[in-house]
Formats: sequence, C-alpha cells, structure tokens
Amino acid sequence: DIQMTQSPSSVSASVGDRVTITCRASQGISSWLAWYQQKPGKAPKLLIYAASSLQSGVPSRFSGSGSGTDFTLTISSLQPEDFATYYCQQANSFPFTFGQGTKLEIK
Amino acid sequence: EVQLVESGGGLVQPGRSLRLSCAASGFTFDDYAMHWVRQAPGKGLEWVSGISWNSGSIGYADSVKGRFTISRDNAKNSLYLQMNSLRAEDTALYYCAKDAQWLATSWFDPWGQGTLVTVSS
Repeated sequence: DIQMTQSPSSVSASVGDRVTITCRASQGISSWLAWYQQKPGKAPKLLIYAASSLQSGVPSRFSGSGSGTDFTLTISSLQPEDFATYYCQQANSFPFTFGQGTKLEIK
Repeated sequence: EVQLVESGGGLVQPGRSLRLSCAASGFTFDDYAMHWVRQAPGKGLEWVSGISWNSGSIGYADSVKGRFTISRDNAKNSLYLQMNSLRAEDTALYYCAKDAQWLATSWFDPWGQGTLVTVSS
C-alpha cells in the first residue's frame, strides 16, 4: 500500500501569511494526488486535483505542485476562512490513502 | 445540484453487522465511481472502499478487507456498505463520496454529510 506522509502536522500562521504544506508518497504516484480542506463539523472539500489543478470555485490563492513522490499545497495569502485542516490523498491505486492531516491554526 | 444522503448508521454491538446506504441525485449515477470514507472521532480521514461505475473495479482498505462489502444499484442510484464483524475501531462518521472523474476512480467531490456508526457493548 502507498503511504502518504504530510508535514507539518500543525502550523500557526497569521492572516496574509504564505503557507506551504508538503505531502510525500512512499512510492511514485505521478500526478495522482488531491488536496482537501476540512472545517470542524463539515465534510471535506476538494481544493486541488491532479496535483496542480484548481477545483472550480476554489480561490486562486490555493495552488498545488509536484509529481512522483513529493507534493506541496501553497496558500499565498491566508484569509480568516482558510484556518482548517488539510489532507492529501493519493489516487494512483487501490487502496487509496490519505495523509494524516495538517491543522492550520491562527497565530 | 449533486446530493448524497447517507443512512443506516447507529449503535451496534461488537461482532454484529450494519448496512449503510447512500442515496444519490443530481448527476448520472452510473457514470461515476463511488467511495466510502470514514473519520473516527477527533481523527483523520480514512478511505474505506471504492467501486467503479460498472462495479468492475472494487477496492478496500486493509483494515476492513474481508469484513466489509461495497455494492451499488445503478437502477436505484444507490451505494451500499455491508459491514460485518464490527469492531470498536470501526466507530466513525462514514461519508459517501462521488468520484470527481467521469468513468474513472480518483478524487472525491462532493461528499455527503455522513452517518455515524458507533460500535460498543
């Protein structure tokens, strides 16, 4: 099975900051990677798919990059509504797997 | 508008069975793979199982393989998860999610609101 490792597990930042979250796959997954945002009590929301494609309706301050085993999610200028938990997910092969999550908190 | 409504959760004793359902609407159900994802209280997301549009490809997490069975009824626009030999560690909010890609298995969009399964004596 493909293991997904996210870092950091939590990060504190301020409104306006640039934040980067990384995700590493235990083996190459080409661009079969997605990023999700989850707020407390809500279902996750797809942000980025195919490693770097922005889902419709998602603000352009979110971007994704990477291929193979190393991926990043960047939020260029944090807004108050961005404080949430973020997960990566590999879709290269069954069983699909998620990273353990990164909690983005207000500094 | 795509809607996914899960049902069938509840309190069940260890070793017993439960069947979850997901009623889908707002899209051509038989063109998309479907998935179950769970989240234990205060924990992260765990993909449980997925099924392709025509049921030709099915996958399970190692933690549920041999105990859970995913199925779909395209005529009824419904997804199911039969859960047998339930354990305390299966306690979670179970989400139904639509695959985002036509005739493929990939990422999940959108998700339902979830149904809570509690395994306890």
